[in-house]
Amino acid sequence: QKEVEQDPGPLSVPEGAIVSLNCTYSNSAFQYFMWYRQYSRKGPELLMYTYSSGNKEDGRFTAQVDKSSKYISLFIRDSQPSDSATYLCAMRVSGTYKYIFGTGTRLKVLA
Amino acid sequence: EAGVAQSPRYKIIEKRQSVAFWCNPISGHATLYWYQQILGQGPKLLIQFQNNGVVDDSQLPKDRFSAERLKGVDSTLKIQPAKLEDSAVYLCASKRDSGTSANEQFFGPGTRLTVL
Repeated sequence: QKEVEQDPGPLSVPEGAIVSLNCTYSNSAFQYFMWYRQYSRKGPELLMYTYSSGNKEDGRFTAQVDKSSKYISLFIRDSQPSDSATYLCAMRVSGTYKYIFGTGTRLKVLA
Repeated sequence: EAGVAQSPRYKIIEKRQSVAFWCNPISGHATLYWYQQILGQGPKLLIQFQNNGVVDDSQLPKDRFSAERLKGVDSTLKIQPAKLEDSAVYLCASKRDSGTSANEQFFGPGTRLTVL
């Protein structure tokens, strides 16, 4: 079993839809949770990170963490064609600066 | 602020040849990472440096991969000899060691390696 599981997609949605992206994990030592966006042929860029269970909002993006269920989500409101990319979840092992990434979910927002 | 620089951007080699990738992190970033990203997968950590010391190289295939970060700034990752399964994008990332952005890794554009 992988430490971090993420549905690879692809996920296609119409412009303006609410998108839900999810990851599950098995390692209780994960303390920080991140979401990265990766455009084709580019390096990943950090969208959001959070430490505690609950919600964190930044513009059209909301990150949600449920440590009891070992489940994290990223919601994108009013999705735009420019949001079309691969979204990677990543988790940091407590006491280290080592990050474990999910496989990424490919998202396509149709105009 | 300049981003993480990597070169070359693309490389095609025959199996059993050797290849080297170069990374220049963001100025002042003490921690540097090399990741391997195979098509359709997430980045997998190969090695983590803090300044010029190795913090984690547990997933580096040491029989063929080597990396160094002399003087704690630029870094080079080498593969010798290359295998077909080494075809991937090699990403370099750096980050600060303190402050509110200590969790934020900045990635370079990557080097896309094709082994024939």
